[in-house]
Amino acid sequence: DVKVTQSSRYLVKRTGEKVFLECVQDMDHENMFWYRQDPGLGLRLIYFSYDVKMKEKGDIPEGYSVSREKKERFSLILESASTNQTSMYLCASSLAGGPGETQYFGPGTRLLVL
Amino acid sequence: GENVEQHPSTLSVQEGDSAVIKCTYSDSASNYFPWYKQELGKRPQLIIDIRSNVGEKKDQRIAVTLNKTAKHFSLHITETQPEDSAVYFCAASKGGTASKLTFGTGTRLQVTL
Repeated sequence: DVKVTQSSRYLVKRTGEKVFLECVQDMDHENMFWYRQDPGLGLRLIYFSYDVKMKEKGDIPEGYSVSREKKERFSLILESASTNQTSMYLCASSLAGGPGETQYFGPGTRLLVL
Repeated sequence: GENVEQHPSTLSVQEGDSAVIKCTYSDSASNYFPWYKQELGKRPQLIIDIRSNVGEKKDQRIAVTLNKTAKHFSLHITETQPEDSAVYFCAASKGGTASKLTFGTGTRLQVTL
């Protein structure tokens, strides 16, 4: 059974703080993704990675960076948190292999930036 | 890039009725269209998907149809039950090394007794 875990379910940070969100998957998936979920806006892709040390910008990368030093772990970094980054953050992973590979999501991290 | 529009944003049906959610996509190169269901407080999970070489796919009470010419696809749920209440997301992908999905904005389905 695929398991995707995220380091925190809830986080409260202050404006300007550096924030790390971590995601770990245990199924040897090549692809990993970070989304943010906001009411009425659906799931928007921030960054994704298809291999260790590889990263690609998604649709809304501004204000975020990522790190993938190991295959099973994909980190999302907010260099200087701002209030407009208050959101639900979802990590996902999938096998490589083109279209049709199911994305498995983590439970989400609800981040509040004060 | 790809743009996926989803309608309606909310849908309320009585138990036993059918529900239809519609999505349109902009990139004619998209060839994979999954649907994810997200129950309240839980993570999204794939419920059904369709590829561009197929016009319709059915799995028990749920079905998805695809019209490539019109660039739209739909989710059909028959004989709805309270446990079908959730947010449903459509998505589209062109495939490639990393199957990047572009999601719609979601439909909140409420099945009332």
